[in-house]
Parts: sequence; structure tokens; C-alpha cells
Amino acid sequence: DVKVTQSSRYLVKRTGEKVFLECVQDMDHENMFWYRQDPGLGLRLIYFSYDVKMKEKGDIPEGYSVSREKKERFSLILESASTNQTSMYLCASDTNTGELFFGEGSRLTVL
Amino acid sequence: AQSVTQPDIHITVSEGASLELRCNYSYGATPYLFWYVQSPGQGLQLLLKYFSGDTLVQGIKGFEAEFKRSQSSFNLRKPSVHWSDAAEYFCAVGAGTASKLTFGTGTRLQVTL
Repeated sequence: DVKVTQSSRYLVKRTGEKVFLECVQDMDHENMFWYRQDPGLGLRLIYFSYDVKMKEKGDIPEGYSVSREKKERFSLILESASTNQTSMYLCASDTNTGELFFGEGSRLTVL
Repeated sequence: AQSVTQPDIHITVSEGASLELRCNYSYGATPYLFWYVQSPGQGLQLLLKYFSGDTLVQGIKGFEAEFKRSQSSFNLRKPSVHWSDAAEYFCAVGAGTASKLTFGTGTRLQVTL
């Protein structure tokens, strides 16, 4: 069974903290994505990566960075968390088919 | 740039009734179109996709969708809804590359017994 695993389901952080969200896929997919999900706004693409060490900005990259040192792992980094980054973060992967495989999400609360 | 509109935020249907969820897209060329479902506390799962060919596509769990170019629509249908279909449904469009998707805001489906 294909699997995308997000390391933390729930996180609570304080304003200004550095936050790492980790995502691992076991399907050897080239593409990996980070989305943010907010009520009434749907899913918005933060960053995506087509290959190791390659990344491209999505629609809302401000305040975020990413790292992909290995094919199976894609990390989302909030350098200095702010309250407006309280959200659900979804990681996904695919092989250019459009069939994204999603993790269960990481719900981040920034106080 | 592409965009997706799901005009219904919330829909309630009775178990056994038919269902149609609306999706309109904006894109200049032939789009790649998708429907995903998100059960509570879960990630999204692909229901079906349209790339080309037959405009009526079948998906998992008894769902189907019809691509209508003239109406820029890709509505999702199911003839008889089950209580387990209660979830949030997202329409998405891909352009250029199938993978970089733009999602709609979602429709939450409630099923009454």
C-alpha cells in the first residue's frame, strides 16, 4: 500500500519559533508537494519539488521554505512562525499522473 | 492562470438519494480535471480524473463525473448516496503538467439517514 507519512499530526508552537514539518513517501515518486488547507479557502500550494534538491514556489510561499535532500523526504520549514500560519498542512506526492497521494495532515497551532 | 469554483459550500442529502456536486473551471486549453474526497481527519483521496477521451468518467465508490467543455464544468454524480459518503469533496484542475493542481474551496456533504 502506498504511503505518505507526516511526522506530526498536531503541533503547538509559539510565535517566532522555527517549525519543521516532515513528510516521507515510500513510493519512489519524483514529485512532492506541500499544501495548506484552511476552511473556505480549500487547498493552496505552498511549494513543490520535482526532484531532489529542486524546488519551486507555489501560490503562497511567503513565510515558508522547503528542503529535499533525499527523494523520499520533503520538509516544510517555518523560519519564524506567526499566528496567521495556524492551519492544516498537507503533504502529497505523485509521478506526474495527477493522482496525488496525501498524508493525513499536520495541524499546526501558533500561539 | 487556472481556477476552480465549487459554488456549493454545504449540501445535505438523504441516504439513497442521488447526488450532484458542481464544479466549474477556468482554463484556456483542455484541462486535466480531478475530484478528490476527504473524510474527517484524513488526507485526500482521488475519486476520478479526466485527461482526454470519453467525457463521462467513472471513479471509485460508484462516483462518476462528466466533462462539459461548453459549460466549463466537471460535475460529480452518484445515483444513490450512502451514509459513508459524508465527507468533503474537492474539484481540482491541472494545466500544463498534470501534477500542479489548483483546488476548489470544497463542498461538504452531509448524509441524513
